[in-house]
Amino acid sequence: NAGVTQTPKFQVLKTGQSMTLQCAQDMNHNSMYWYRQDPGMGLRLIYYSASEGTTDKGEVPNGYNVSRLNKREFSLRLESAAPSQTSVYFCASTQGLRGGETQYFGPGTRLLVL
Amino acid sequence: AQKITQTQPGMFVQEKEAVTLDCTYDTSDQSYGLFWYKQPSSGEMIFLIYQGSYDEQNATEGRYSLNFQKARKSANLVISASQLGDSAMYFCAMREGWSGTSYGKLTFGQGTILTVHP
Repeated sequence: NAGVTQTPKFQVLKTGQSMTLQCAQDMNHNSMYWYRQDPGMGLRLIYYSASEGTTDKGEVPNGYNVSRLNKREFSLRLESAAPSQTSVYFCASTQGLRGGETQYFGPGTRLLVL
Repeated sequence: AQKITQTQPGMFVQEKEAVTLDCTYDTSDQSYGLFWYKQPSSGEMIFLIYQGSYDEQNATEGRYSLNFQKARKSANLVISASQLGDSAMYFCAMREGWSGTSYGKLTFGQGTILTVHP
């Protein structure tokens, strides 16, 4: 039982390049989330997926897109990376309202945009 | 207004002593959840403890307890018998509604860095 996994762990991009951050969970959770953490700050929600087949914007969605590929996987895409997107990205999942609401986090992806 | 406020940027405690990390929150929801997470220098987010707004008893998990004062809107984390491995950043977070635009999302405070001295 790996919990929440994220790939890659580290990435360096040049401005304008694109990339996809992958996230998978093996806990059969319904809801999944993408957060970013900037230095010295708490996490802010980028996008979330309440259940398979649905996605919605969070607090800071600009410059990102997401795909809920299936119940297990939730990817985050940067179409044209900007230095302001340098951050640590965390994926999280939870069973949801009726199943226990604790969010479990992946190990994070450290992204540097030059 | 900040939804989650952690007023202590840094705290120091002697090993084996207890320490309280402060958290106040702001919400108009009746149903909400409060969480504490630990982030060591390695960067992962580790769930510590959860308190639901309707829970009458304060939550406890081993050496962690949550001092929940609903009327004051505070949810302080108490760590008893501090260990060197407790040195980390600690985040308080709140879950508000399960509908609409806030489905289960967590709002985080700025964090408190705890340093445990031997």
